[in-house]
Parts: sequence; structure tokens; C-alpha cells
Amino acid sequence: EDKVVQSPLSLVVHEGDTVTLNCSYEVTNFRSLLWYKQEKKAPTFLFMLTSSGIEKKSGRLSSILDKKELFSILNITATQTGDSAVYLCAVERGNTGTASKLTFGTGTRLQVTL
Amino acid sequence: GAVVSQHPSRVICKSGTSVKIECRSLDFQATTMFWYRQFPKQSLMLMATSNEGSKATYEQGVEKDKFLINHASLTLSTLTVTSAHPEDSSFYICSASLFGSSYEQYFGPGTRLTVT
Repeated sequence: EDKVVQSPLSLVVHEGDTVTLNCSYEVTNFRSLLWYKQEKKAPTFLFMLTSSGIEKKSGRLSSILDKKELFSILNITATQTGDSAVYLCAVERGNTGTASKLTFGTGTRLQVTL
Repeated sequence: GAVVSQHPSRVICKSGTSVKIECRSLDFQATTMFWYRQFPKQSLMLMATSNEGSKATYEQGVEKDKFLINHASLTLSTLTVTSAHPEDSSFYICSASLFGSSYEQYFGPGTRLTVT
């Protein structure tokens, strides 16, 4: 059975701290791993990772994938209160020629306090 | 950017009634739309994949006769929860895909369904 596990489940940090969120997976027909940020409503896309060892960066956020060990991390440096959200990891899976699907982890709830 | 809307954003209905949720891609044509359900403090669970003009593909454990999906045009998919029960209360989110690849998915704002 396909599985995506995120840790920690929740985290409270002070503004300015750096956090690392983890995502491990076991899926068949892996295509890519994606990170989303979910505040009150729909998830918003952060990163898509397909290759091992290549860091993707966007401002204070960065992410990297290890396809050998089957995990990814999402780093947020100099956290701000606006970073408070649930961070979802999802793995895209599917055979060639078929519509791919996303399997989501349960998310990490991050709260950044002043 | 690509925008997906859902209507209604919130609905309360009585047990035994049916509820229809609409998902629209506002500025692009979506060949594939996905329907997810999210229970409190849990992750998004894929319910079904909907392709324009064909029958939806349901995930294991999702009753197709209970969750009717219609994808009649490239900009609209609907999910009808038939004979709703309190355990169907959940957050339903749709997403639309530009090219049929799920990484290009754009999510709608979700519909919170409460069945009393």
C-alpha cells in the first residue's frame, strides 16, 4: 500500500527560528514529490522534486529529495508568523500513459509565535 | 495564474438529502479534475479522477453510486453526495489539471459539508 509519512505532526517555534520538516514515502511508480502549504483553505504549491540531491529554493524555503532513502525535507529559515500553516507532502505516482495521482501525507502543522 | 473555484463554500444539509458541489476552472481548460476529501486534522484523500467526457475513476473504498461525478465540460466538474449521512461531513476539495499531469494541479478553495 502506498504510504507518505510526515514528521513531526506539529511544531511550535519562535519567529526567526529555522525549521526542518520531514517526509518519507513508499509508493509504486514514483514520478515526483511535491510540497504544499495549506492555510485555511486549499493547498498552494511550493515545490516539485523529481531528481535526488538537487535543492530547490524559493526565498526562505528550500527542499531536497533523496530517492535512494525515499525521503524529502523542507527547510524554512528565519521563520515568520505568516509561515504558520499545515505543510503537506505529496507523492505523484502513475504508470506511463495513465493519469498520475497524488498521495498526501497527513501534514505538519507549523505554528510560529512572536 | 490558473484559478479554480468551488461552489458552495459551505453547505449544511439534512441526512438523506443530496448535495451538489461544483468545481470550475476559471481561466484554463482542465482535461482532468480530481476530487479529494479531508477530515479534520487528516490529510487529503483522493476520491476520484474525473476526465472530461468520460466516466470518473474512483479510488478503492469510494462508492461511485454515492459520490456521483460529472465532468461535462473542460471547465466544470460536479460532485453530488447522494443520500448524505453525518459521516459524509467533511471538507471536499477539487483540483484541476492543465495537461493531465497531477503536478500541474491547481486546487479549489474547498467546500465544507455538514450533514445534520
